[in-house]
Amino acid sequence: DTGVSQDPRHKITKRGQNVTFRCDPISEHNRLYWYRQTLGQGPEFLTYFQNEAQLEKSRLLSDRFSAERPKGSFSTLEIQRTEQGDSAMYLCASRRQAFGEQFFGPGTRLTVL
Amino acid sequence: GNSVTQMEGPVTLSEEAFLTINCTYTATGYPSLFWYVQYPGEGLQLLLKATKADDKGSNKGFEATYRKETTSFHLEKGSVQVSDSAVYFCALSEEGGSEKLVFGKGTKLTVNP
Repeated sequence: DTGVSQDPRHKITKRGQNVTFRCDPISEHNRLYWYRQTLGQGPEFLTYFQNEAQLEKSRLLSDRFSAERPKGSFSTLEIQRTEQGDSAMYLCASRRQAFGEQFFGPGTRLTVL
Repeated sequence: GNSVTQMEGPVTLSEEAFLTINCTYTATGYPSLFWYVQYPGEGLQLLLKATKADDKGSNKGFEATYRKETTSFHLEKGSVQVSDSAVYFCALSEEGGSEKLVFGKGTKLTVNP
């Protein structure tokens, strides 16, 4: 399967703990996006990478959130000191630069207790 | 900022009924427009897209026409099947820069046999 993969698929954590999610995009896709989807809502943009450079961040991405794409391939999204409001589905998508659709991974569902 | 408003659900239809899901958008430029579908337990998939005014996107019997004068991109299908049961998201892609997607809230469709 050469689609976008995300790990883990589900994460349950206690408030105040740190969590990290991983996204592996389709190879040769140099653009990578993170979105957050809460229940009953559409996905909302969090941040975007072109190769290893993080070029845009949403105001939704508070200081507790950080994302990296160190070698321009996989990406990680870390949430520090999780809060119950962070409970959501975190989606990753990738695309080739400047054309083509965004391909989405299956998402990581985070539950903060 | 740019936004997408789509018909609130849920929508329940009988098999072979006609489907319309309304979608309107607000954008400063000339965005590309998309319909994504999320089947139960699966990730977001692109259903169809249109990149300029009067373009018609079509796939799997679904159609939508980019209407600049009414800022709309309504999804239609002449005869729905049980397998079309899913959540449908209208989205736009902003020109230039990240080309991140801006989504509507989604419309859940249930088709009964």
